[in-house]
Amino acid sequence: GQNIDQPTEMTATEGAIVQINCTYQTSGFNGLFWYQQHAGEAPTFLSYNVLDGLEEKGRFSSFLSRSKGYSYLLLKELQMKDSASYLCAVRDWSNDYKLSFGAGTTVTVRA
Amino acid sequence: ETGVTQTPRHLVMGMTNKKSLKCEQHLGHNAMYWYKQSAKKPLELMFVYNFKEQTENNSVPSRFSPECPNSSHLFLHLHTLQPEDSALYLCASSQDKGTSGRGYEQYFGPGTRLTVT
Repeated sequence: GQNIDQPTEMTATEGAIVQINCTYQTSGFNGLFWYQQHAGEAPTFLSYNVLDGLEEKGRFSSFLSRSKGYSYLLLKELQMKDSASYLCAVRDWSNDYKLSFGAGTTVTVRA
Repeated sequence: ETGVTQTPRHLVMGMTNKKSLKCEQHLGHNAMYWYKQSAKKPLELMFVYNFKEQTENNSVPSRFSPECPNSSHLFLHLHTLQPEDSALYLCASSQDKGTSGRGYEQYFGPGTRLTVT
């Protein structure tokens, strides 16, 4: 299986920036996904990285380094509605393209 | 209806009951998944169906039985569950299971909150 590690909790102030790190170990890397999940709701797709570098999508950016087995999700200009759990997931072609998820990082945005 | 829908949203059942969870996707996808989400734990993949064929049974106990009658519908039949089976059960779908090499993300339903008493 894959080991996917991300911090359990992070707290930040409205308007600030928060970076959520994710490290992984996999035999057949085939893409890394970030999902956002509000309490009691479905995870929703945020970003996908398969090549090294930064993908920017509005206030959210995701970075990948395949050689380091490392990714981060950057949330800028934090808003109260960004309080949620953020899930890192890795797809592995040697594991029949299944997604393996981290336990999630709960981000709390304070006024 | 759009996206992925699941019914019921909440279910309380005794250990001797039989119930079924239903998932429907309106996205024209070919792959569907069942996941279990317990508090503070990673999502656990249970079953995968690709073009209506089951391609994964992730060592799930036989008290969970999936059924995929067509590419839009997925069921999870439950019988003689244990209290430790209480969790959020999420259904998801994607264009394919990833073999095309494209970044086909999975779309999740809202889940069924299951409590086994």
